[in-house]
Amino acid sequence: EADIYQTPRYLVIGTGKKITLECSQTMGHDKMYWYQQDPGMELHLIHYSYGVNSTEKGDLSSESTVSRIRTEHFPLTLESARPSHTSQYLCASSDGLAGGGQFFGPGTRLTVL
Amino acid sequence: KNQVEQSPQSLIILEGKNCTLQCNYTVSPFSNLRWYKQDTGRGPVSLTIMTFSENTKSNGRYTATLDADTKQSSLHITASQLSDSASYICVVSAADYKLSFGAGTTVTVRA
Repeated sequence: EADIYQTPRYLVIGTGKKITLECSQTMGHDKMYWYQQDPGMELHLIHYSYGVNSTEKGDLSSESTVSRIRTEHFPLTLESARPSHTSQYLCASSDGLAGGGQFFGPGTRLTVL
Repeated sequence: KNQVEQSPQSLIILEGKNCTLQCNYTVSPFSNLRWYKQDTGRGPVSLTIMTFSENTKSNGRYTATLDADTKQSSLHITASQLSDSASYICVVSAADYKLSFGAGTTVTVRA
């Protein structure tokens, strides 16, 4: 079944730790995105990719980095987590066609102590 | 200033009642508008999508309208159910596929 997965769903870590949030999709979509969403607030685009070996920064500045080595996989890494990184991180993918929608993963809720 | 404004910020309705959510946008040039439902702690799920030439689209008890001239959209929920409790997000796509997200309207349905 075509879908988009994120792991872990919840993560609580200490300051200074390196973490990687995983995102995989089985729909063969070229375009993938990472959004950051604080409670009750709108989604903010932090990274996107239009295909393998393509990564761009989004509208919201983020200290995280991403990679796109395979079409289906778009991990996000924080080299040294801080409490200010506490948020929900949503991964999405789309086929990029006009009128096509973005499919969202379930999200990862990150808490940095 | 956000290019997509939603109202109200939140609302509480009784089960079985109807409600209407509003979305005003300034995104230009316009490509399409989507309404998403986001359950607490989950990713958004698409409800409807409308292009410039469409002025209404239904998905079960959800009906979205679009007035591209006034740049307004609404989402009407008919005969609300407890499972409708969620945040509803209006997302507008520009012609270059750049997305603008509203802050969402939180709907709480009470028995």
